Amino acid sequence: GENVEQHPSTLSVQEGDSAVIKCTYSDSASNYFPWYKQELGKGPQLIIDIRSNVGEKKDQRIAVTLNKTAKHFSLHITETQPEDSAVYFCAASIQGGSEKLVFGKGMKLTVNP
Amino acid sequence: KAGVTQTPRYLIKTRGQQVTLSCSPISGHRSVSWYQQTPGQGLQFLFEYFSETQRNKGNFPGRFSGRQFSNSRSEMNVSTLELGDSALYLCASSFSGQRTDTQYFGPGTRLTVL
Repeated sequence: GENVEQHPSTLSVQEGDSAVIKCTYSDSASNYFPWYKQELGKGPQLIIDIRSNVGEKKDQRIAVTLNKTAKHFSLHITETQPEDSAVYFCAASIQGGSEKLVFGKGMKLTVNP
Repeated sequence: KAGVTQTPRYLIKTRGQQVTLSCSPISGHRSVSWYQQTPGQGLQFLFEYFSETQRNKGNFPGRFSGRQFSNSRSEMNVSTLELGDSALYLCASSFSGQRTDTQYFGPGTRLTVL
């Protein structure tokens, strides 16, 4: 079936550094790519999403880039803060199958003060 | 606008029992999807309901079932609980359930099966 690979699985940075999370997907028909942040004891919260008609989207310290040819997309967080510490999930829409989104396994980001 | 709510937040059951979880979507949203989240398997799709009809179903046994009411609230039921059913169960709502619709998640119900 279709899948989304996410790496790295863990990342530790110092406050103020940048963090990058990369995902690859297999369904060439995917056209919607959301990113979710999940803090301990909470459900995933949408932080940014991108659709295939754009290559980059930015929202304050967060940016997402999409390369449809290579079938990969990335999340960039600049000037990281301790409250950015969480698990981040990427996802991609799929056209076939019963589910509409396939999720990556998640990346645990730790921002050290 | 209130977010997605799920009740209860925590449940402890024993093997063989059954459990019912509830989800109230964002007002105006008609699609509700359920996911199981475990450390080993990540987020796995269970099923999706739209206008009281199950529209899609993931690869889970028939012990997992659900329904949706006319006000879009949804319940999922797990019968004959097994130890492996211990997980965080998440529901997500979206406006129309189209593939590019944004899904908004609730806080989840943490189920522990002893």
